[in-house]
Amino acid sequence: NAGVTQTPKFQVLKTGQSMTLQCAQDMNHNSMYWYRQDPGMGLRLIYYSASEGTTDKGEVPNGYNVSRLNKREFSLRLESAAPSQTSVYFCASTGTDNSPLHFGNGTRLTVT
Amino acid sequence: QKEVEQDPGPLSVPEGAIVSLNCTYSNSAFQYFMWYRQYSRKGPELLMYTYSSGNKEDGRFTAQVDKSSKYISLFIRDSQPSDSATYLCAMTLYNNNDMRFGAGTRLTVKP
Repeated sequence: NAGVTQTPKFQVLKTGQSMTLQCAQDMNHNSMYWYRQDPGMGLRLIYYSASEGTTDKGEVPNGYNVSRLNKREFSLRLESAAPSQTSVYFCASTGTDNSPLHFGNGTRLTVT
Repeated sequence: QKEVEQDPGPLSVPEGAIVSLNCTYSNSAFQYFMWYRQYSRKGPELLMYTYSSGNKEDGRFTAQVDKSSKYISLFIRDSQPSDSATYLCAMTLYNNNDMRFGAGTRLTVKP
């Protein structure tokens, strides 16, 4: 009963380094999302993928890229990390529009 | 002004108390309203989901939506220490691509 799985759980990067956050879901969901959560800001949408092969920008896409590798997997890449990208990153998925989101347990990223 | 306003608390209540959590919003076009519960170091999990105005009850939890006032509430009856978590309100227009979250209210229920 895995649901949405995110790796890694924790990561520390230096400014300018790159990394990819991985997300996989086993619920056969069509749509997948990447959010960031910052204190006092709530969850903000970075990118989403409405179906396999499509991706679109959300509210805060700058500095990020995504890949919908297949129906199960949706990755988030930071090409050149900045301290402003220190945050907790959540992946989510849903089967249809307006259905509730299922979240992973997050990746805690610190950029020094 | 944020699109969704939620008092971050923290809110501390004794076990057995009735808890009221609230959010206000500015976009009258929001149609779907949700409450998520987030335990420390975990992802949010859906607690309540409602469409348009009205009340919805599920066990000890009641969600209310007042679209005329642009105000939603979550009530927790007979609160338990296991209810200690951060509660996030969320709302969306027609699909989850437009979902907006409140900042979350941190609740502690003391035994």
